[in-house]
Amino acid sequence: QKEVEQDPGPLSVPEGAIVSLNCTYSNSAFQYFMWYRQYSRKGPELLMYTYSSGNKEDGRFTAQVDKSSKYISLFIRDSQPSDSATYLCAMGSGTYKYIFGTGTRLKVLA
Amino acid sequence: DSGVTQTPKHLITATGQRVTLRCSPRSGDLSVYWYQQSLDQGLQFLIQYYNGEERAKGNILERFSAQQFPDLHSELNLSSLELGDSALYFCASSVQAGQRSIQYFGAGTRLSVL
Repeated sequence: QKEVEQDPGPLSVPEGAIVSLNCTYSNSAFQYFMWYRQYSRKGPELLMYTYSSGNKEDGRFTAQVDKSSKYISLFIRDSQPSDSATYLCAMGSGTYKYIFGTGTRLKVLA
Repeated sequence: DSGVTQTPKHLITATGQRVTLRCSPRSGDLSVYWYQQSLDQGLQFLIQYYNGEERAKGNILERFSAQQFPDLHSELNLSSLELGDSALYFCASSVQAGQRSIQYFGAGTRLSVL
């Protein structure tokens, strides 16, 4: 079993839809959680990070962490074609490295 | 632009050869991380340096090595290349090495081994 599981998609939604992206994890030692966005042939770009359970909002993006269920989500409101990308969740514990999900490909249709 | 610079953008080489990938971290960042991204494996952590010293190793092959220089730039050396080494190689940097230090990624080097 992988430490972090993420549905690879692809996920296609119409413009303006609310998008929900999710990751599950098995290691209860993970303490901090990130979402990265990666456009084709580009490096991952940090979107959101959080160190605690609950919700964190930044513009159209909301990150949600449920440590009891070992489940994290990223919600995108009013999705735009420019949001079309691969979204990677990443998690860390008391060590140096992040464990990444394999990424979910999102396509927002105009 | 994350502020992390990687060169070259693309590299095409043959099996058995050796290549060097270069990374310049963001100004002020002391820690550098190297990752490999392939289609079927996702982002895999290779190695981390902090202020010139190796801090942690991940899934790095013995054929691969890295170092961080006094000016804090880093190089990843890949030798005896195999077809399976074809991938995107990313460098990331952070201010510190601890768990709360967010990593910022460069645009990557695409390596094609023919």
